[in-house]
Amino acid sequence: KQEVTQIPAALSVPEGENLVLNCSFTDSAIYNLQWFRQDPGKGLTSLLLIQSSQREQTSGRLNASLDKSSGRSTLYIAASQPGDSATYLCAVSAGGGNKLVFGAGTILRVKS
Amino acid sequence: GAVVSQHPSWVICKSGTSVKIECRSLDFQATTMFWYRQFPKQSLMLMATSNEGSKATYEQGVEKDKFLINHASLTLSTLTVTSAHPEDSSFYICSAPERLAGETQYFGPGTRLLVL
Repeated sequence: KQEVTQIPAALSVPEGENLVLNCSFTDSAIYNLQWFRQDPGKGLTSLLLIQSSQREQTSGRLNASLDKSSGRSTLYIAASQPGDSATYLCAVSAGGGNKLVFGAGTILRVKS
Repeated sequence: GAVVSQHPSWVICKSGTSVKIECRSLDFQATTMFWYRQFPKQSLMLMATSNEGSKATYEQGVEKDKFLINHASLTLSTLTVTSAHPEDSSFYICSAPERLAGETQYFGPGTRLLVL
């Protein structure tokens, strides 16, 4: 059974810092991995999707890497801003219907 | 990007009543949609996979007679919580994969259900 772990559970940083969020998964036979952002009481916003054959994806200040063999992914946020404060969720899909298995999330707070 | 909507966004009901939640893909077709629930300060747990034109697939521990799912068209799936009880109070979120976007999952804004 696939299990997804995210570290740290919570993170508080001053504005402007670069930061890294970590995600690990137990079964490396994944189809893709997706990073999401969730604001309190809201749905999920897709940030980046990495196919199993890819190593990384970039969007603006966000960069996500994937090391499938070791079961790890990182989300790098450059020059963090208070508006980045949210919960960040990592999820993997094994294909076959595309259902996602989520990590518990990292709660990020960027202080101004 | 693709848009998924949910209706209603908020619902408060009395114990014993049934509540229907709609999930729509607005600008793409989805043969499959997923229903998740999220308790406060917890992550999302998959409840069931909704399949257009066929029966839904439920995850272990989810009562199919309590959570009725109907995927009537390529853009609409509904989740009906039957005979709701206070323990069913939760945040329900649907998602749909968009094939033209590499199977990126797009999520609805969620429906918060409070059963009194």
